[in-house]
Amino acid sequence: QLQLQESGPGLVKPSETLSLTCTVSGGSISSNLYYWGWVRQPPGKGLEWIGNIYYSGTTYYNPSLESRVTIFVDTSKNQFSLRLSSVTAADTAVYYCARLIVGADLYGMDVWGQGTTVTVSS
Amino acid sequence: DIVMTQSPDSLAVSLGERATINCKSSQSVLYSSNNKNYLAWYQQKPGQPPKLLIYWASIRGSGVPDRFSGSGSGTDFTFTISSLQAEDVAVYYCQEYYSTPALTFGGGTKVEIK
Repeated sequence: QLQLQESGPGLVKPSETLSLTCTVSGGSISSNLYYWGWVRQPPGKGLEWIGNIYYSGTTYYNPSLESRVTIFVDTSKNQFSLRLSSVTAADTAVYYCARLIVGADLYGMDVWGQGTTVTVSS
Repeated sequence: DIVMTQSPDSLAVSLGERATINCKSSQSVLYSSNNKNYLAWYQQKPGQPPKLLIYWASIRGSGVPDRFSGSGSGTDFTFTISSLQAEDVAVYYCQEYYSTPALTFGGGTKVEIK
């Protein structure tokens, strides 16, 4: 059974770079059926898509965050990672990693990590 | 960019009654080449990640109870819980994937028991 697990610092200082990693277990990250993505949720607010990456390394970002976001993949470790630079308090959120399946029979973010809380504060 | 607008923001429904959520996209998410609506619905319970309930606007995911249903086409969509159960208390989100792999979520609708 595929599982995703986020990891990284829970506290980041303003203006610094947030770095998170998602480890994929129970399946390979290298499949042409999937994208791998990051979604965040500020306290008490809705879901915001951050970006997706294909196993080849091709990335797609939310235009509102594109200037500050980098997502990269390490297929040898079955991991993909998020970096968000120049963070402010507005970046405080629960960050989720998720699998986006793009099949004819099933389409959507069907597997999610449990989420990790990141607080931006000095 | 496609903007997804959900309504209402919240609703309270008695147990066993119907709950209906609307989702409107700023442009059509119906892909003409395959006649499929690129729209999904998710359920998020407190302290949990979202769960994919419906895709292609109306197809229930594996194991999803049949009291959950989705309908609509083009720009206007509806999500319905036919008979609200206590365990259905959650926030529900629509999501377009017409722009895949770029995605957009609606703002969410909180469903509570009256």
